[in-house]
Amino acid sequence: QQQVKQSPQSLIVQKGGIPIINCAYENTAFDYFPWYQQFPGKGPALLIAIRPDVSEKKEGRFTISFNKSAKQFSLHIMDSQPGDSATYFCAATSVNAGGTSYGKLTFGQGTILTVHP
Amino acid sequence: GAVVSQHPSWVICKSGTSVKIECRSLDFQATTMFWYRQFPKQSLMLMATSNEGSKATYEQGVEKDKFLINHASLTLSTLTVTSAHPEDSSFYICSARRKGLDEQYFGPGTRLTVT
Repeated sequence: QQQVKQSPQSLIVQKGGIPIINCAYENTAFDYFPWYQQFPGKGPALLIAIRPDVSEKKEGRFTISFNKSAKQFSLHIMDSQPGDSATYFCAATSVNAGGTSYGKLTFGQGTILTVHP
Repeated sequence: GAVVSQHPSWVICKSGTSVKIECRSLDFQATTMFWYRQFPKQSLMLMATSNEGSKATYEQGVEKDKFLINHASLTLSTLTVTSAHPEDSSFYICSARRKGLDEQYFGPGTRLTVT
């Protein structure tokens, strides 16, 4: 029930394309869903995050779509660039429930994105 | 803002020795810090959660006597790998949660190699 399933494992797009990465969760206590970008040998960087009270959030070229009833959320990268080539992780946590799970992120398996010039 | 640093960025040590890794939130107070381990081409695995002034909470299967965590202040947490063995070689990453906010920010990671 704590798992977050992420797909696809890898994704190749051309420059300007719109890669979409999907995640699904089971735990209905999750109420905060961030996306992280990680380059080789570096720590993950927070890209964008969403709470379940909205269905979409956009920041720059990154958009999260959230479907609470389906327990799914996805990341769209508009006008993708070669510099976006990285591993992307979705995550989920409960920030309001308190207790021992408070704030602990459950990560998806990661998606390796390659953007060709 | 929201910068987390780790020191050292990489370390090589001999089997049987101990290694300390520092995690600092540079421009914010972090009520909670988390320690992760990441193997090549894999996701992040949470090792423990540390709250300032209290004992760390370890995830199932993580040896607390081997991975000592201290959260001495609102800006500093340390992970000490005791009696390191080659199988402890990994990429260790910390994250810090800003006081009063949801966001967690990650450090740049520490590459540990035990020979």
